[in-house]
Amino acid sequence: NAGVTQTPKFQVLKTGQSMTLQCAQDMNHNSMYWYRQDPGMGLRLIYYSASEGTTDKGEVPNGYNVSRLNKREFSLRLESAAPSQTSVYFCASSDTLKLFFGSGTQLSVL
Amino acid sequence: DAKTTQPPSMDCAEGRAANLPCNHSTISGNEYVYWYRQIHSQGPQYIIHGLKNNETNEMASLIITEDRKSSTLILPHATLRDTAVYYCIVRVYNQGGKLIFGQGTELSVKP
Repeated sequence: NAGVTQTPKFQVLKTGQSMTLQCAQDMNHNSMYWYRQDPGMGLRLIYYSASEGTTDKGEVPNGYNVSRLNKREFSLRLESAAPSQTSVYFCASSDTLKLFFGSGTQLSVL
Repeated sequence: DAKTTQPPSMDCAEGRAANLPCNHSTISGNEYVYWYRQIHSQGPQYIIHGLKNNETNEMASLIITEDRKSSTLILPHATLRDTAVYYCIVRVYNQGGKLIFGQGTELSVKP
């Protein structure tokens, strides 16, 4: 039982490049989330998916797209990376009680 | 979801109780109070939640005032490993929607 798995753990991109962050959970949770955390700051919600087949914008959705591929997987895509997207990205899944977080992806955009 | 207000930082001596306050004056009747913590740059970890009664588990106790406008997370015997950022959040129990984190309280446990 791995919980929430994120890949990759580290990534360096050049401005304008694209990439997809992968997230998978094995807890049969309906809800999944993507957060970003800038240095010294709290977590900010990018997108979330309340259930398979649905996605909604969070606090800071600009520059990102998401796909809820199935109940297990929720991916985050940066179409044209910008230095302002340098951050640590956390994926989470939720039952009705609490969120379970992955270990994060540290992304640097040069 | 109702907003929460927490002090930005607190210190606590090792072995003493750490009492972390949270104000949520606009909380609705069906909103629960949740606490999470984040150690270093790890993913946040669930600690405890409650509606209106005091709650206790192996990690902490949660005291919610009778009017539910504020709460206190208590770590009864703080250790150095409890040094972390603690987040107080309110949300509807079975809501599958967004969960917004505030700035949290940075707790430093000192020897």
